[in-house]
Amino acid sequence: EVQLVQSGAEVKKPGESLKISCKGSGYIFTTYWIAWLRQMPGKGPEWMGIIYPGDSDVRYSPSFQGQVTISADKSVNAAYLHWSSLKASDTAMYYCAREAEMSTQLFDYWGQGTLVTVSS
Amino acid sequence: DIVMTQSPDSLAVSLGERATINCKSSQSVLYSSNNKNYIAWYQQKPGQPPKFLIYWASTRESGVPDRFSGSGSGTDFTLTISSLQAEDVAVYYCQQYYSSPATFGPGTKVEIK
Repeated sequence: EVQLVQSGAEVKKPGESLKISCKGSGYIFTTYWIAWLRQMPGKGPEWMGIIYPGDSDVRYSPSFQGQVTISADKSVNAAYLHWSSLKASDTAMYYCAREAEMSTQLFDYWGQGTLVTVSS
Repeated sequence: DIVMTQSPDSLAVSLGERATINCKSSQSVLYSSNNKNYIAWYQQKPGQPPKFLIYWASTRESGVPDRFSGSGSGTDFTLTISSLQAEDVAVYYCQQYYSSPATFGPGTKVEIK
């Protein structure tokens, strides 16, 4: 069974750094792209970027380029989303999702989400 | 970026009745070389991640009940739930994967009347 399990909810202050994780199981982790998506309350998901764990090739949405860093560690089947300096506007639910075989930018399995709250 | 819009914002349907959700893209998502529409639909229940329902505008993902169907081409698409069940209460999103970045609609909330 394919599973993506994300790290738990975080409460941080503006300016702090944060790294959240997404651990895959039930499939060959290194052969599927993993995307990160942001969902603000009451809105649709937004695609932030994507990584191929096999070689750590990363692509970013222009809207998120320079704001976050996506990485992966294939030795532990995990992908990561990192902020160096959080802002209050980063408060949201963040999902990782596996890119489907049928096409790029299509997401067949999703993690349970990590709620990030940034507040002073 | 391709902008996705959905209508209505919400709808209330009686159990067993049909629910219809519309989705429009700001440009065509029909790829002429393979005649496929790059539209997917997802279902999101409260407190859960989105669930992948339909791709290529009308192909159901494995395990999705056949009361869910997708149609449309070019810029206008529809998700139909033929006979609404209680477990279908959720927000439904359309998504285009024709061009990067993938973009999602704002969602349509389906409730029981």
